Amino acid sequence: QLQLQESGPGLVKPSETLSLTCTVSGGSFSSSSHYWGWIRQPPGKGLDWIGTIYYSGSTYYNPSLKSRVTISVDTSKNQFSLRLTSVTAADTAVYYCARTPQYDISRFDSWGQGTQVTVSS
Amino acid sequence: DIQMTQSPSSLSASVGDRVTITCRASQSISNYLNWYQQKPGKAPKLVIYAASSLESGVPLRFSGSGSGTDFTLTISSLQPEDFATYYCQQSYITPPITFGQGTRLEIK
Repeated sequence: QLQLQESGPGLVKPSETLSLTCTVSGGSFSSSSHYWGWIRQPPGKGLDWIGTIYYSGSTYYNPSLKSRVTISVDTSKNQFSLRLTSVTAADTAVYYCARTPQYDISRFDSWGQGTQVTVSS
Repeated sequence: DIQMTQSPSSLSASVGDRVTITCRASQSISNYLNWYQQKPGKAPKLVIYAASSLESGVPLRFSGSGSGTDFTLTISSLQPEDFATYYCQQSYITPPITFGQGTRLEIK
């Protein structure tokens, strides 16, 4: 059964870089069948799409975050990662990683449990 | 960006009720509309994709309809486990993928 697990620091200082990793198990990470994405949810608010990556490294980013976001993939470890630079309190959120089918990269059909990231000094 | 507006923002209903949640897109999105259910402290779960297709494992009491700009999610007979927040999401023009603000379904 496919499982996605987010990991990374729960506390990041303002102006620093947020780094998270999603580890995929129980499924074929390197196949051409899926894309892999990051979504976040600020406290008490709705869902914001951050970006999506293909196993080959092709990426799609939310234009509102594009200047600060990098998503990368490490197929040897069945992982993909998120880097968000110059963070502020507005980046405080639960961060989710998720999977989409290759034929519909917006259909998030499997999710990680989420990880809370707080931006504070 | 395509804006997604859900109504109502919150809704109180009883077990056994029929409930409808509406989602409106700021421009036509054909049927590129997904619905997610989120329970407190949990990740969202895909319920409906392509406006009206039921995700595998989701009970038949859930249904979706609509095309263009107006969409609905209907739960035919509410069960206790259905009380949650529901989000619509468009996938027609991306990036960015955009979500509605959510509809909180509460027990009356």
